Amino acid sequence: VRLVQSGPEVKKPGASVKVSCEASSYTFNSYGISWVRQAPGQGLEWMGWISTYNGDTRSEETFQGRITMTTDTATNTAYMELRSLQSDDTAVYYCARASNDLSYKDCFDVWGQGTLVTVSS
Amino acid sequence: DIQMTQSPSTLSASVGDRVTITCRASQSINIWMAWYQQRPGKAPELLIYKASTLESGVPSRFSGSGSGTEFTLTISSLQPEDFATYYCQQYSSYGAWTFGQGTKVEIK
Repeated sequence: VRLVQSGPEVKKPGASVKVSCEASSYTFNSYGISWVRQAPGQGLEWMGWISTYNGDTRSEETFQGRITMTTDTATNTAYMELRSLQSDDTAVYYCARASNDLSYKDCFDVWGQGTLVTVSS
Repeated sequence: DIQMTQSPSTLSASVGDRVTITCRASQSINIWMAWYQQRPGKAPELLIYKASTLESGVPSRFSGSGSGTEFTLTISSLQPEDFATYYCQQYSSYGAWTFGQGTKVEIK
């Protein structure tokens, strides 16, 4: 079971970034995907979740209006787009496997390798 | 939102030591607690879920306990590969997961 993420990105302030997360060796639409980020030297911050079954999403309040999460079941890939980037968005962004059903309490049992997004003018 | 407070933030220990990390939730989360290990430059890995259930493949020297608001992660005999940062995570809130700030286990 693997989640493989896209490569590092360098963006200017105000730009957007789209990170991909390709799943393999499990039934993609049986599990949801959460997104977590980690600023340099800092802890883990949950950003949002998407159901790969019906596209339902939830996001942390601080990212609402700035984050879009989508999936492509034909390619078993989840995407996270973050807009209006600022320097404090510089971080490693992770995808992680979770439940597809929010009524089922679940943690994150499989993680992608991480994608470094650097925001710099 | 449920806040998670981990302590200590840094822990210095030697190989063979027994170490304990504590995590406190701002409100009851029943047993919906997970612990993760993160080595430098790597993604986090799940160690324990439902407060005390060991993830498949995780060595038995790791154990978790607690319920409600107080939880602990214990490593019974620290091994060289255990020097890493550990995070607790609550998953009681529907669609709102939160992590503790992390505990770095360093070599004394």
